[in-house]
Amino acid sequence: AQSVTQLDSHVSVSEGTPVLLRCNYSSSYSPSLFWYVQHPNKGLQLLLKYTSAATLVKGINGFEAEFKKSETSFHLTKPSAHMSDAAEYFCVVRVLTNAGKSTFGDGTTLTVKP
Amino acid sequence: SQTIHQWPATLVQPVGSPLSLECTVEGTSNPNLYWYRQAAGRGLQLLFYSVGIGQISSEVPQNLSASRPQDRQFILSSKKLLLSDSGFYLCAWSRVSVQSSTDTQYFGPGTRLTVL
Repeated sequence: AQSVTQLDSHVSVSEGTPVLLRCNYSSSYSPSLFWYVQHPNKGLQLLLKYTSAATLVKGINGFEAEFKKSETSFHLTKPSAHMSDAAEYFCVVRVLTNAGKSTFGDGTTLTVKP
Repeated sequence: SQTIHQWPATLVQPVGSPLSLECTVEGTSNPNLYWYRQAAGRGLQLLFYSVGIGQISSEVPQNLSASRPQDRQFILSSKKLLLSDSGFYLCAWSRVSVQSSTDTQYFGPGTRLTVL
């Protein structure tokens, strides 16, 4: 079985300050991990993914995430928040033996204050 | 390049009415296809997935059904809508490969369904 826990349902930061969105996972097998972003009433856009290569993954729009097996974490970070980063973010885990089906976290809403 | 379309974009339906949401993918062949529902303030719940024409797997019991009449067409249906069917419905596709867990799922723009 696999599961994902996004530790914060809401995160608020000021523009220009760092962003940290936390994600812990559990999986019986080696997982692939993804972060998606969703703007209001839009579909999901892939930010980045980890697939057992480098543990530090760089994505679009300046986001990156680090896979830490010992901590079963895959936290999403950005050095400096922009107003356009305000959105909902989903952490996702997939394992090969589960027919490639994804398990989504409940999401974290990021608010960016001017 | 690949694109995924969903329609309609928004839909308001009375309780008890039928439903048909359509999803099509362009630029790829034999994709895996998925239907998700996102209730207000909640994460995504996988409803159905399909690995080929006519092959549908259901993840949760419900009054919805799915069909895949063509390789790149995925339809979500209901004979009688319930209030609880309201939500944001997302279609997604991914490539089929041995390492399917590493393949990215690409999402459509979604359909906002309101059942009154």
